[in-house]
Amino acid sequence: NAGVTQTPKFRVLKTGQSMTLLCAQDMNHEYMYWYRQDPGMGLRLIHYSVGEGTTAKGEVPDGYNVSRLKKQNFLLGLESAAPSQTSVYFCASSPGEAHQETQYFGPGTRLLVL
Amino acid sequence: GQNIDQPTEMTATEGAIVQINCTYQTSGFNGLFWYQQHAGEAPTFLSYNVLDGLEEKGRFSSFLSRSKGYSYLLLKELQMKDSASYLCVFMDSNYQLIWGAGTKLIIKP
Repeated sequence: NAGVTQTPKFRVLKTGQSMTLLCAQDMNHEYMYWYRQDPGMGLRLIHYSVGEGTTAKGEVPDGYNVSRLKKQNFLLGLESAAPSQTSVYFCASSPGEAHQETQYFGPGTRLLVL
Repeated sequence: GQNIDQPTEMTATEGAIVQINCTYQTSGFNGLFWYQQHAGEAPTFLSYNVLDGLEEKGRFSSFLSRSKGYSYLLLKELQMKDSASYLCVFMDSNYQLIWGAGTKLIIKP
């Protein structure tokens, strides 16, 4: 099993450009999450999904959109990138059977917006 | 509001014991996690506490006191590979995870 994978691993964008980050998991997990991690701060939840076809806003959703068309994939879109979106983005998944379950993380995508 | 406090950085010696403290303020509580994150890598799960007391798992132990809003992670027999950031995370009343900024642990020979 590959677990949770993310593409791309690294990307440089110019202000105003758009891009999509792809997250895939092969563990048949129901829940999927997108976080951003910035220096000196804890992970912040952008959006999450509790099942195929559903999405919900997290703590910092502005400037991002998501889609969960297939259970195994969770896409994060930036329609018009801004320098404030320079960050490391982590995708995670969890089984969804119990609230105390652990989350499994992908390797991260490092995004630089110039 | 909801807040987590943990030291920014700690230094310890290989073979020694270190305790990383975490305090939290929350309007509701559904559990506390510790995650480990090596530089440039993703966080990985270490422990989960929902009841007061000590949970031991090999060289790592995690303690929780809900009345004091306090937890600690205890690492014994430190190894160089334990150099990492340790993230304290609590789950609020809505089952959302609130992440601390992490404690960077530096292990010296």
